Amino acid sequence: KQEVTQIPAALSVPEGENLVLNCSFTDSAIYNLQWFRQDPGKGLTSLLLIQSSQREQTSGRLNASLDKSSGRSTLYIAASQPGDSATYLCAVSFVNTGFQKLVFGTGTRLLVSP
Amino acid sequence: DTAVSQTPKYLVTQMGNDKSIKCEQNLGHDTMYWYKQDSKKFLKIMFSYNNKELIINETVPNRFSPKSPDKAHLNLHINSLELGDSAVYFCASRKSGAGNQETQYFGPGTRLLVL
Repeated sequence: KQEVTQIPAALSVPEGENLVLNCSFTDSAIYNLQWFRQDPGKGLTSLLLIQSSQREQTSGRLNASLDKSSGRSTLYIAASQPGDSATYLCAVSFVNTGFQKLVFGTGTRLLVSP
Repeated sequence: DTAVSQTPKYLVTQMGNDKSIKCEQNLGHDTMYWYKQDSKKFLKIMFSYNNKELIINETVPNRFSPKSPDKAHLNLHINSLELGDSAVYFCASRKSGAGNQETQYFGPGTRLLVL
């Protein structure tokens, strides 16, 4: 059974800190892995998509890495800001279930305090 | 311009009622999805349509019936609502044909509360 797990479930940091969110998945045969952001009461916004052939993707202060063999991905946020406060979701498309289907992790709730 | 829109945004109803949620996307995508996010914030796929054809149907009670009148719309009808149906329902869309390179775009969600 393909599963996605995220740790920690919640994280609180002061503004300016660099931080790492973790995602692990049970099957290394994947099409891609994506990181989303969800603000309270809102929908999901895609942050980064890493294809199975890639090792990392960067967008501004965000960097996501992918290690398929160990079934892990990390989302690195540099110089965190209060506006980064949100829930971050990791989602994986597994080969066995097709690239149309995303399996989501349980999310990491991030609070960045001024 | 709203890319993926859902109506209504909030829905409060009594147990046993039948209700519908509508979704529209103006991105020109040909694949649309319905997800359910429960009280623990866990997001799980329910259905997916590609070019108006059902391609993903997870283990969902048959009280839930999706309908896609065209590529830009995917509606969700729920019969005989139960307390456990209370959740946030998200619609999403994606452009197929790009394989594993394309992400999904999500609507703002419909918050359903069954009393």
